[in-house]
Amino acid sequence: GENVEQHPSTLSVQEGDSAVIKCTYSDSASNYFPWYKQELGKRPQLIIDIRSNVGEKKDQRIAVTLNKTAKHFSLHITETQPEDSAVYFCAASMPTLKLSFGAGTTVTVRA
Amino acid sequence: NAGVTQTPKFQVLKTGQSMTLQCAQDMNHEYMSWYRQDPGMGLRLIHYSVGAGITDQGEVPNGYNVSRSTTEDFPLRLLSAAPSQTSVYFCASSYGESYEQYFGPGTRLTVT
Repeated sequence: GENVEQHPSTLSVQEGDSAVIKCTYSDSASNYFPWYKQELGKRPQLIIDIRSNVGEKKDQRIAVTLNKTAKHFSLHITETQPEDSAVYFCAASMPTLKLSFGAGTTVTVRA
Repeated sequence: NAGVTQTPKFQVLKTGQSMTLQCAQDMNHEYMSWYRQDPGMGLRLIHYSVGAGITDQGEVPNGYNVSRSTTEDFPLRLLSAAPSQTSVYFCASSYGESYEQYFGPGTRLTVT
């Protein structure tokens, strides 16, 4: 099955700086790559996703890049704010819907 | 719309007991899934369903059963609870493959 590795496991940034989280996947058949944000005690919520026919996607301060050849994708958060503090999960999905998640990155934005 | 609902929110079981975690969605989604979340391990897929009457195993199916008799409901049954099943369980639904998954609020299960 698909194996998704996520780095780093924790990330502390100064408010206003950028944060970058990187994920790699193993199965070249994966074609859908979502990112979820989970605040403490809450459910995961989708923040951005990208499909394999696209190399980059942006939504305000959040962007995701995909390198199919290298089988890795990254989440970029610019101008970080305290409300960006949360656990972020990357995931990869093959057409069978079997969504495989990374282990998560705990992001702390320091004021 | 209520979205995805789960009951109960919290549950304590003794080893060997059985129980059913309930999940329902009112968005007419065909795809539904169950995940467990353990510290440092992300979300792991237990079972999923692509429509009423159709289910399949995920990454960690042992010790769990599912059925899907209606589009709305997707219950997860623990056959004989073990301490290793202590976890937070999330149900999710989506419009289809490669679409956003909507998660329920979760059930925190402790097995003693």
